[in-house]
Amino acid sequence: MQVAESGGGLVKPGGSLRLSCAASGFTLSTYTIHWVRQAPGKGLQWVSSISGSGSFLSFADSVKGRFSVSKDDANNSLSLQMTSLRLDDTAVYYCAISGTKQSSFDIWGQGTMVTVSS
Amino acid sequence: QSALTQPPSASGTPGQRVSFSCSGSSSNIGKHILHWYQQLPGTAPKVLIFSNNQRPSGVPDRFSASKSGTSATLAINGLQSEDEADYYCATWDDTLNGPVFGGGTKVTVL
Repeated sequence: MQVAESGGGLVKPGGSLRLSCAASGFTLSTYTIHWVRQAPGKGLQWVSSISGSGSFLSFADSVKGRFSVSKDDANNSLSLQMTSLRLDDTAVYYCAISGTKQSSFDIWGQGTMVTVSS
Repeated sequence: QSALTQPPSASGTPGQRVSFSCSGSSSNIGKHILHWYQQLPGTAPKVLIFSNNQRPSGVPDRFSASKSGTSATLAINGLQSEDEADYYCATWDDTLNGPVFGGGTKVTVL
């Protein structure tokens, strides 16, 4: 069971980027999927969570209104659409999986780096 | 400023016992199960302790954790060089309506 993130890169302030989280070895839609980011040299920061059914969706205040999530059950993947990017969005973005929204994040991807810079 | 407070650092010599805290409030630790993650340098975090005090298979039994009220403690008994890492506590927060992480504790083996 593993997940892999992709889509990171360099983007200018105000720009957009779409990250993907692809699952293998299990069905993504039966788990809760989280995005967690880590700015260079800093700690872990929660970004967003969505339940497998999509009935629960939540965002951190720092990204609310700018980030959105979409599920692609056919391709067993999830996307994080990031718009109006700011310098402080620069971070490694991890996709992580838990059984329920409150249980531990048992599976983590390797992360994808997003750099917002002019 | 995280809703969960951890000391930024802890250290010990090989074989020593090291412990550190994670302090929260009634909207997070006081109400929900707590987990601990270990992040080795340059790698993604991995779950070290789940549901307050449960170790996943493969995690050495020198790692233990407890929770009481609105705080929790992670202990490493018999510190080893490979334990040098960042450790994060995490739980659900009703105010955020999402998970919250502590600021992390960097463990150094002297």
